[in-house]
Amino acid sequence: ETGVTQTPRHLVMGMTNKKSLKCEQHLGHNAMYWYKQSAKKPLELMFVYNFKEQTENNSVPSRFSPECPNSSHLFLHLHTLQPEDSALYLCASSQENVFATNEKLFFGSGTQLSVL
Amino acid sequence: GDSVTQMEGPVTLSEEAFLTINCTYTATGYPSLFWYVQYPGEGLQLLLKATKADDKGSNKGFEATYRKETTSFHLEKGSVQVSDSAVYFCAPGGSNYKLTFGKGTLLTVNP
Repeated sequence: ETGVTQTPRHLVMGMTNKKSLKCEQHLGHNAMYWYKQSAKKPLELMFVYNFKEQTENNSVPSRFSPECPNSSHLFLHLHTLQPEDSALYLCASSQENVFATNEKLFFGSGTQLSVL
Repeated sequence: GDSVTQMEGPVTLSEEAFLTINCTYTATGYPSLFWYVQYPGEGLQLLLKATKADDKGSNKGFEATYRKETTSFHLEKGSVQVSDSAVYFCAPGGSNYKLTFGKGTLLTVNP
């Protein structure tokens, strides 16, 4: 148990659906991240939040909409997704922004998303 | 930009075999270097790291040495176990460098 919890573990949705992924961390960290993990591709950073403020948007399509209401919670709202968006979506957290320090990331177990 | 090249998998070994997973990187300056591991059904977790040249990171019997001259950070273990079966990711980053993960190398250890 890493202290980062993601729900749901699995999600199947149609291209016209709207769904949300949830991430919660109980570590007292100030930075949270969304990554996309697709088969045969490197892990892709999507968004970074530091003290609830978005500090990184890695050219992610607008059909992915993140929300960070507080330092412990991070959401990824999904709408009108495409089949190629099917992947494992991983949430991570760190004490501070890991891109400015040598700290490690703590990952959740991910949400396996299938878009039909 | 920064990039990392990992040994293509999958790698299949018998228990107690020697493991090497190669990793080379390109980056301006001297990033910290990390190995993360992803066990089946889980997220990634830090395995080991090294923050400067010639540092050796080690954990759970795994080792990797920061080689500045060859820009490499190869992962080694002298005797693998079935429980080491996982996907291993090399990642340069830290201290103003974005973490750049490799594609991952799937290791399967058979009894």
